Amino acid sequence: DAGVIQSPRHEVTEMGQEVTLRCKPISGHNSLFWYRQTMMRGLELLIYFNNNVPIDDSGMPEDRFSAKMPNASFSTLKIQPSEPRDSAVYFCASSLYPSSSTDTQYFGPGTRLTVL
Amino acid sequence: KQEVTQIPAALSVPEGENLVLNCSFTDSAIYNLQWFRQDPGKGLTSLLLIQSSQREQTSGRLNASLDKSSGRSTLYIAASQPGDSATYLCAKGRNYGQNFVFGPGTRLSVLP
Repeated sequence: DAGVIQSPRHEVTEMGQEVTLRCKPISGHNSLFWYRQTMMRGLELLIYFNNNVPIDDSGMPEDRFSAKMPNASFSTLKIQPSEPRDSAVYFCASSLYPSSSTDTQYFGPGTRLTVL
Repeated sequence: KQEVTQIPAALSVPEGENLVLNCSFTDSAIYNLQWFRQDPGKGLTSLLLIQSSQREQTSGRLNASLDKSSGRSTLYIAASQPGDSATYLCAKGRNYGQNFVFGPGTRLSVLP
């Protein structure tokens, strides 16, 4: 398997623009997670889905952020409008659901977002 | 207060040394505890996962322990190698394995 695939790998945009990050989970995995990593705050869970349904979006920082999972093989994280403080590395991860206590999450390579 | 903390924040050791990374967490309601490795510019890779009913897990030169009563986990790396240089993050599973809270990580440098 190719693992979790994220695109783009790097994104540079100007403040106020819309940004869309994409993720393809590992085939057969039914849970998908979006994380944000910054030096100041470390790795934070933004939202996760089970069977394409959002389960916990309490980590989404504000209404400018939205995430969708239209099918089992694709998810998007959208920021509109983007702000410089959104600059971070955004990771997507997937895992098998329903999971056991031994299940782990598999991370993609991340998208490095820079908002000027 | 941070839910998961790690010390030290950074560590530099000569090749061949045995070393211990520490992870502390609040709230003993833990589902599992996992150690990840992150290489620069890369995603996270799971190293070891300890279920709440277990006390330790081993994989090769790595050994992770879990003490729920004290809210601590340690990652022991034996005979360190330059290839072990990376950031190591611990993560506490808060419920049915779905929701992890990550520590800030320990940045390890193993010098040849």
